[in-house]
Amino acid sequence: DAKTTQPNSMESNEEEPVHLPCNHSTISGTDYIHWYRQLPSQGPEYVIHGLTSNVNNRMASLAIAEDRKSSTLILHRATLRDAAVYYCIFSPGGGADGLTFGKGTHLIIQP
Amino acid sequence: GAVVSQHPSWVICKSGTSVKIECRSLDFQATTMFWYRQFPKQSLMLMATSNEGSKATYEQGVEKDKFLINHASLTLSTLTVTSAHPEDSSFYICSASYNSPLHFGNGTRLTVT
Repeated sequence: DAKTTQPNSMESNEEEPVHLPCNHSTISGTDYIHWYRQLPSQGPEYVIHGLTSNVNNRMASLAIAEDRKSSTLILHRATLRDAAVYYCIFSPGGGADGLTFGKGTHLIIQP
Repeated sequence: GAVVSQHPSWVICKSGTSVKIECRSLDFQATTMFWYRQFPKQSLMLMATSNEGSKATYEQGVEKDKFLINHASLTLSTLTVTSAHPEDSSFYICSASYNSPLHFGNGTRLTVT
């Protein structure tokens, strides 16, 4: 199994940046790092993924450590709608295989 | 784009009956779809990989005769929970890959009474 370590929960204030950490010390050189989030009673939603370089999209940024053993998902300006469970996953390739989900981080946003 | 639709979104059935859940890729073709199950306050667990035109691949511990998967077309996979029991009550979620990331349906909440 692809194991990642994330804090169980984090709290942040609305309109402030949020940095969600993830450790993946057993990652191999060809594994991609994926982030998904899940709102209550919904299926997971893709957030971002990357291999080595930092990645940006309209939802978030992904900062990957040089040794690739950890990464950080950055939400630049949190809103109440960002309250969700965030999952960090690594797997071979860009995501065509079934992903193994860990427990994730429950992000709480305070107004 | 890349929308995955599940139906129904919730279902209540009596113990011993069977329930079919549909998963459709609305705007892309998916040769492979994945079925997950999620119990309250737990993470998603991969149950099986559904392959178009061939047999599904089940994860260890998942009963293939209980959870029947059919992937008859490039846009439809179905999961049938046969002879459902209360312990099968869960949130079932399907997903398919398109341009790398997995896209998930909104899930089906199954309650077996």
